[in-house]
Order: sequence, then structure tokens, then C-alpha cells
Amino acid sequence: DSGVTQTPKHLITATGQRVTLRCSPRSGDLSVYWYQQSLDQGLQFLIQYYNGEERAKGNILERFSAQQFPDLHSELNLSSLELGDSALYFCASKRDRAGYGYTFGSGTRLTVV
Amino acid sequence: AQKITQTQPGMFVQEKEAVTLDCTYDTSDQSYGLFWYKQPSSGEMIFLIYQGSYDEQNATEGRYSLNFQKARKSANLVISASQLGDSAMYFCAMREGQRDSNYQLIWGAGTKLIIKP
Repeated sequence: DSGVTQTPKHLITATGQRVTLRCSPRSGDLSVYWYQQSLDQGLQFLIQYYNGEERAKGNILERFSAQQFPDLHSELNLSSLELGDSALYFCASKRDRAGYGYTFGSGTRLTVV
Repeated sequence: AQKITQTQPGMFVQEKEAVTLDCTYDTSDQSYGLFWYKQPSSGEMIFLIYQGSYDEQNATEGRYSLNFQKARKSANLVISASQLGDSAMYFCAMREGQRDSNYQLIWGAGTKLIIKP
């Protein structure tokens, strides 16, 4: 157990639907990052939150949004889903020290049918 | 733009042999960090090793070491005495900048390592 909890582990939904992915960071970690891993585009950074505030945006579609709550858990909302959104979505958290790598959750595997 | 290149899509290695996974990077920053992650077939992403650009010695973590050649912009992962459990995808990643709370990782395409018994 890495200490980063992602739910659900698997999600199958239809095109056009909306889903919410949840992430609880490791205790003491203030930063939460969302990454998407797909077969055609590899690993891509989506968005970062630090202590409740959005800090950086990557290749995140306008149909996607995220937030980090006061208890530091984060949610990634994906709407108007398309087949191409099928991917493994990772949440990672990090402590504020350069020498430590991200700690990843086990991911949510989203399948859009 | 920053970039990570892993030129080996796949590798087969005999059990107990050492293996080197290649990673080259491109950045104009003086301060950056390089990471290696392992992704088994189960999907989770496991942190292996980190090398900072100002670190004078190559990083080591157990059977993992990072062969950091700054002038050549390479950060190869060396796994000594490979084991069957080392079979997985391996990703090289880079972060730029010093502000720990405000950066993200740039990833290579990965190398699929298969250890043969």
C-alpha cells in the first residue's frame, strides 16, 4: 500500500456520461497530481493542486476538471466522455522535498464503451 | 521544450544478469531531477530512484543504480542481478525547476523489460 488511495479501481461507462475519480493523498503530502496513461499518448500530466489551490495545468481537456478539498483529497471530474478517454488515471502525491519521488496511487482504469 | 527519450521499446534479459535501461533527456534548465519508475503488469507505478542535477554521485538504491552522465544528458538505470520480478515497464521521468510544490514530471515512452528464467 503506497499510502495514496484511488477509487474506484475500475470504471466502465458509456460515451457522453460523466464520472468522478477520487484520490486521497499520503498523509502529510500537500500536493496532488493527476496523470493520464493511454496507449497512444503515454503518460501525460493533467493538473496539479497544492494545499487546495490549482498550481499547474497540463494537457487537460476542457471537459475535465478537478479540485482539492480542505481535507486534501482530490477529485477529477470527466464529462461528455468519449471512447478516447479510456485510460488509466493516476493520482500522485508528493512531499515538498526535491529528493523524494511522487507516490502514486494504484490508478483508476476507465473504460468508455 | 523538455523531452525524455527511451530508445529501447523492449528488452529480454537472462535472469541474474545486469541490465541497463537507457534514458536521455533534453532541458535548458540547470536545476532538474531525474526519476525512474517501475510499472508491473498490475498497473501501479513504483518509484525506484532519483538523481538531482547537482548531485555529485550517482544515486543507488539496493539493486538499482543510476548512471548519470550530465554532459551527455543521459540517466541510465542499471539493475544488477536481475530477478523474474523485475519484469515490468520502466519509465524515465524528469522534473525541472527548484520549486518543489510547482512542477510536474515529463515522461519517456517506457521500456518493457522481460526477464527470462
